[in-house]
Amino acid sequence: EIVLTQSPATLSLSPGERATLSCRASQSVGRYLAWYQQKPGQAPRLLIYDAINRATDIPVRFTGGGSGTDFTLTISSLQPEDFAVYHCQQYGNWPLTFGGGTKVEI
Amino acid sequence: EVQLLESGGGLVQPGGSLRLSCVVSGFTFSKYAMSWVRQAPGKGLEWVSGFSGSNSKTYYADSVKGRFTISRDNPGNTLFLQMNSLTAADTAVYYCARDVGDYKTRTYNCFDPWGQGTLVIVSS
Repeated sequence: EIVLTQSPATLSLSPGERATLSCRASQSVGRYLAWYQQKPGQAPRLLIYDAINRATDIPVRFTGGGSGTDFTLTISSLQPEDFAVYHCQQYGNWPLTFGGGTKVEI
Repeated sequence: EVQLLESGGGLVQPGGSLRLSCVVSGFTFSKYAMSWVRQAPGKGLEWVSGFSGSNSKTYYADSVKGRFTISRDNPGNTLFLQMNSLTAADTAVYYCARDVGDYKTRTYNCFDPWGQGTLVIVSS
């Protein structure tokens, strides 16, 4: 099973700042990596798939990068609605696995 | 509008069983791989089980293998998860989720959209 390690666990930032989230895989997943955003009481929402592709209607301030074992999600300028938990997921191997999440807080 | 609506959650005693359902609308259900993902209270996401590929092969997380069974009723637009031998560790919100792509173009095994979830509590 591929283990995904997200860092940091919590990121404390202010609106307008740049956020950089990390997801590291225990073995290569190629570019088969997705990012999700989850707000309290809501289901996750897909942001990025295939490591770099924005999902439908996702703002351009969200950018995915990386390949192999090291991936990043960058939010160029945090908006108030971006404060949430972010999860990465690999789909390069079964079983599919998620990281532990990064909480982006004010 | 694409919609996924889970039901069947509730309180069950350890060792008991539940059957979750996910009724979908707004897309051709038979053309998509589907999965169940769960989230224990205050914890991260855990993929549980899914269909993948046009041959509808099924996969399970090790934590549920042999206890849970995923199935689907394509004419009825419904995904199921039969859960047996439940333990406290199975307490979670269970989400159904649709694959990003369809069988004709590409199955990705990542998910959009998701349902709102149904809560399963295993407790005596």
